[in-house]
Amino acid sequence: ILNVEQSPQSLHVQEGDSTNFTCSFPSSNFYALHWYRWETAKSPEALFVMTLNGDEKKKGRISATLNTKEGYSYLYIKGSQPEDSATYLCAFGNSGYALNFGKGTSLLVTP
Amino acid sequence: EPEVTQTPSHQVTQMGQEVILRCVPISNHLYFYWYRQILGQKVEFLVSFYNNEISEKSEIFDDQFSVERPDGSNFTLKIRSTKLEDSAMYFCARKQGALNTGELFFGEGSRLTVL
Repeated sequence: ILNVEQSPQSLHVQEGDSTNFTCSFPSSNFYALHWYRWETAKSPEALFVMTLNGDEKKKGRISATLNTKEGYSYLYIKGSQPEDSATYLCAFGNSGYALNFGKGTSLLVTP
Repeated sequence: EPEVTQTPSHQVTQMGQEVILRCVPISNHLYFYWYRQILGQKVEFLVSFYNNEISEKSEIFDDQFSVERPDGSNFTLKIRSTKLEDSAMYFCARKQGALNTGELFFGEGSRLTVL
């Protein structure tokens, strides 16, 4: 069992606040680190896939960084909006076919 | 439009009954996955399916579970004799990109409730 840990478990911020959360994963046999956004009553949707140490990806107000040597990734949301409210899942891929998911960080952004 | 369509969206069944969950991809892909999420827990990998064969399965995927692609299009997950602990949201996903680094495109899920 590959432990992927996400923190915090939940987060409540005001509209306009910037926020970030963490994913930690095993640093050995690393292939890829994924971030997914999962809105209520919908399916998880891919945000980023990162493969190289030091990778930084950005999509609009959301960005992510990757440190494979120490086994962590950060997801940042700049100027949070209510539509950013969702559960953010991190998933670690190694040499197998499967992705190993963390429990997610549940973000609530209130106006 | 979702990449993958799942049916049923919700099924309620009695313990011990057989359940079949279906997944229909929009286009022809080779790599498929089943994941599930028990309420309040992690999304868990069940099985991956490549070129009409199981390529990897987890400890959860015991003899009660089976997958097949009977007509080359629909992709099914069968639970032979459901238990209470099988109650979960079951997601089918297809992979786009390389095997080890490609991203998953999930269906909208099938919620299974076992009474």
